[in-house]
Amino acid sequence: EPEVTQTPSHQVTQMGQEVILRCVPISNHLYFYWYRQILGQKVEFLVSFYNNEISEKSEIFDDQFSVERPDGSNFTLKIRSTKLEDSAMYFCASSEGMEAFFGQGTRLTVV
Amino acid sequence: AQKVTQAQTEISVVEKEDVTLDCVYETRDTTYYLFWYKQPPSGELVFLIRRNSFDEQNEISGRYSWNFQKSTSSFNFTITASQVVDSAVYFCALSEVGTTDSWGKLQFGAGTQVVVTP
Repeated sequence: EPEVTQTPSHQVTQMGQEVILRCVPISNHLYFYWYRQILGQKVEFLVSFYNNEISEKSEIFDDQFSVERPDGSNFTLKIRSTKLEDSAMYFCASSEGMEAFFGQGTRLTVV
Repeated sequence: AQKVTQAQTEISVVEKEDVTLDCVYETRDTTYYLFWYKQPPSGELVFLIRRNSFDEQNEISGRYSWNFQKSTSSFNFTITASQVVDSAVYFCALSEVGTTDSWGKLQFGAGTQVVVTP
């Protein structure tokens, strides 16, 4: 069964460093998403991406964040200068227009 | 404004008891989807069920059942004869097409922690 794959599963980074979280969506899907879940809290929408551009973003998704689909298969989330409060589980999801399929998540720890 | 409300923060039951999780949602759309996801301690999000706004028929799937009532904007979820492996956080989520023409943007509730003890 096709699935969304995220790498790495866990990343530790120092405050102020740039980090790139990677996702391989399901191959025939057209819509891509990033969600964030701070430990113990609910899952929050960050951004949606369609046709090589951001289609919607939340207020969390500020200038420190960017997304890219560099090669037609990967979908990345970059955080330019990480802060302690960026520590969270980040989920990638893809959709063909109907339901979203989630990856297993990347746990980002900023120290 | 909170679009999806899960008022129960934690429910503790003994194995074999039934567990009902409450979810109340808010939307102005006439077409929307509702979901339940399970998040075990390992952290991944496991899709359980999806219901669209036009189908209020309540169903049972194995030990899971749901009760969708548009009149009260509720989408409750029941685990029958709970097992220890059901221990997890359960999230209710709402999907509206909005501006993206896609159902993939979900708005999650705060989650309900279910603890099943032997």
